Amino acid sequence: GAGVSQSPSNKVTEKGKDVELRCDPISGHTALYWYRQSLGQGLEFLIYFQGNSAPDKSGLPSDRFSAERTGGSVSTLTIQRTQQEDSAVYLCASSGTLNEKLFFGSGTQLSVL
Amino acid sequence: GQQVMQIPQYQHVQEGEDFTTYCNSSTTLSNIQWYKQRPGGHPVFLIQLVKSGEVKKQKRLTFQFGEAKKNSSLHITATQTTDVGTYFCAGGLGSYIPTFGRGTSLIVHP
Repeated sequence: GAGVSQSPSNKVTEKGKDVELRCDPISGHTALYWYRQSLGQGLEFLIYFQGNSAPDKSGLPSDRFSAERTGGSVSTLTIQRTQQEDSAVYLCASSGTLNEKLFFGSGTQLSVL
Repeated sequence: GQQVMQIPQYQHVQEGEDFTTYCNSSTTLSNIQWYKQRPGGHPVFLIQLVKSGEVKKQKRLTFQFGEAKKNSSLHITATQTTDVGTYFCAGGLGSYIPTFGRGTSLIVHP
């Protein structure tokens, strides 16, 4: 596609439910990143995929968070047993090669009630 | 953990005034990237600096990378209302994962 696509754009869920957020990166981009942005805050790194290498999960805040990237393209971020503090905008970004600029999607606004 | 600090958090200016945001790291950066996020939007890449002491300009925007590669700045000359948004720096701290500062929100009063 022309840009990084994320779905859904908005997700409202109840505390304790599981959610899945999807990211479709720019075709051909090997690097994919997930960041989280709370209201008025900076971007908090969550997880990084590069090609077929093992992902860097060092930013995941708890074991309730997981992500996968199938076929080196689409990525899914899963949050289990959501908590109110998980409410934030989840941003996905991709880049063509290492140390290149990041292209961000429009994000998924997650609200946990 | 390693962090990239950015100041100020907010900056109010009158249209036509200049604006500067500063980014600092306690460790040497491999590179620094700058992004702009308009209200309600997502971060959009502006520029990347790699070399010690590098200076790059984009129209009214001037970007600098310090000699020690531990700090950077973004300066906007004669701000316009279209400059409104949050400006983020993102530093390379020895990995391929950009570490973002908390951003500086620029508010321009007409």
